[in-house]
Amino acid sequence: ETGVTQTPRHLVMGMTNKKSLKCEQHLGHNAMYWYKQSAKKPLELMFVYNFKEQTENNSVPSRFSPECPNSSHLFLHLHTLQPEDSALYLCASSLKGQFNYGYTFGSGTRLTVV
Amino acid sequence: QQPVQSPQAVILREGEDAVINCSSSKALYSVHWYRQKHGEAPVFLMILLKGGEQKGHEKISASFNEKKQQSSLYLTASQLSYSGTYFCGTGAPMNAGNMLTFGGGTRLMVKP
Repeated sequence: ETGVTQTPRHLVMGMTNKKSLKCEQHLGHNAMYWYKQSAKKPLELMFVYNFKEQTENNSVPSRFSPECPNSSHLFLHLHTLQPEDSALYLCASSLKGQFNYGYTFGSGTRLTVV
Repeated sequence: QQPVQSPQAVILREGEDAVINCSSSKALYSVHWYRQKHGEAPVFLMILLKGGEQKGHEKISASFNEKKQQSSLYLTASQLSYSGTYFCGTGAPMNAGNMLTFGGGTRLMVKP
């Protein structure tokens, strides 16, 4: 366990389904991130939340909808996904403004869209 | 724009050394290094801030050349446990929440 917990670990969903990914940390971090990791591609930043406020949306399609109810929890709501959205979705947390502080990643949710 | 890592893959025998490079087309403020083993979360190794410093972590160290806009990760006397994919992440000072842009990764395999 890294201190960042993601659930579920694996998810298979149809293109018409609605599902949510959950991320939780109790490290006292105030910045949380969603990254997408596809095969043979770099980690792609999706969303950034600082103190529960979304500060970055990296041109992500609207079928992905993030939610951050508090500094410890982050959700990614999914609806009408496409097969190319199949990937490993990683959540990370850190301390905003601390440029000498690394990210703590969760183990990810392996998403398969069928 | 994402940093470029080289090489893309490397195979070593235990005890051998390796260097992984991370180059950016933009001015660098910070460089993070992470290692990810298959099926696991990326794990933070170290961070370097602009100033050309060098850092060490067991037998793994890194340098940051601000003029070349490049960082290098040095793995000496490699162990089997060093196997995994290494990622560099670059950050700029004005990015909200220390937002990182990651390179494509370097796959390292250490064989007995």
